[in-house]
Amino acid sequence: EAGVAQSPRYKIIEKRQSVAFWCNPISGHATLYWYQQILGQGPKLLIQFQNNGVVDDSQLPKDRFSAERLKGVDSTLKIQPAKLEDSAVYLCASSLGGWTESYNEQFFGPGTRLTVL
Amino acid sequence: LAKTTQPISMDSYEGQEVNITCSHNNIATNDYITWYQQFPSQGPRFIIQGYKTKVTNEVASLFIPADRKSSTLSLPRVSLSDTAVYYCLVGISSNTGKLIFGQGTTLQVKP
Repeated sequence: EAGVAQSPRYKIIEKRQSVAFWCNPISGHATLYWYQQILGQGPKLLIQFQNNGVVDDSQLPKDRFSAERLKGVDSTLKIQPAKLEDSAVYLCASSLGGWTESYNEQFFGPGTRLTVL
Repeated sequence: LAKTTQPISMDSYEGQEVNITCSHNNIATNDYITWYQQFPSQGPRFIIQGYKTKVTNEVASLFIPADRKSSTLSLPRVSLSDTAVYYCLVGISSNTGKLIFGQGTTLQVKP
């Protein structure tokens, strides 16, 4: 079974530039998550989709971050404009269960390492 | 969602059993306890989940006392490849499946 795919794996940009990350979840997984992981910290949830609807985006900096899930499958996360503090690894995860499941194993992709100069 | 506390780091040697304890004093009645493992440059990977008493799978055991205010992840006979960060998570929301990661425990296995 193919895992969660992400691209690119690495990205270096200058502050105030824009960047986009792509995620392809495991086939059939209804729920998709984007996390931000700053070096030395645990992942922080940015946004959660259930199919193509947003379930939780309470920690997404909406003035600069946006995300969409096309047709309930692939997803893109965009930052515009980027700041120095956005340097982090951006992880995408997916899970089979719906948002009412009490057990909901998440499968993570390898992440995209973003460096903002 | 309950807050968890676990040691920042631990050292061990190959072949030893490693126990990582996590405290979660305000765990709710219907909260599950879940552990994830993360290697450098990879996303976290599910290890084990439990509700009470003991759960065992092919890679680890999870011990949960009756009051459920703590839990212990046990890794039998660790190898160098078990060097990773281990996260204890409590209270996967039954409404959103939301995971709250803490800082985790960095386990260093030495030869």
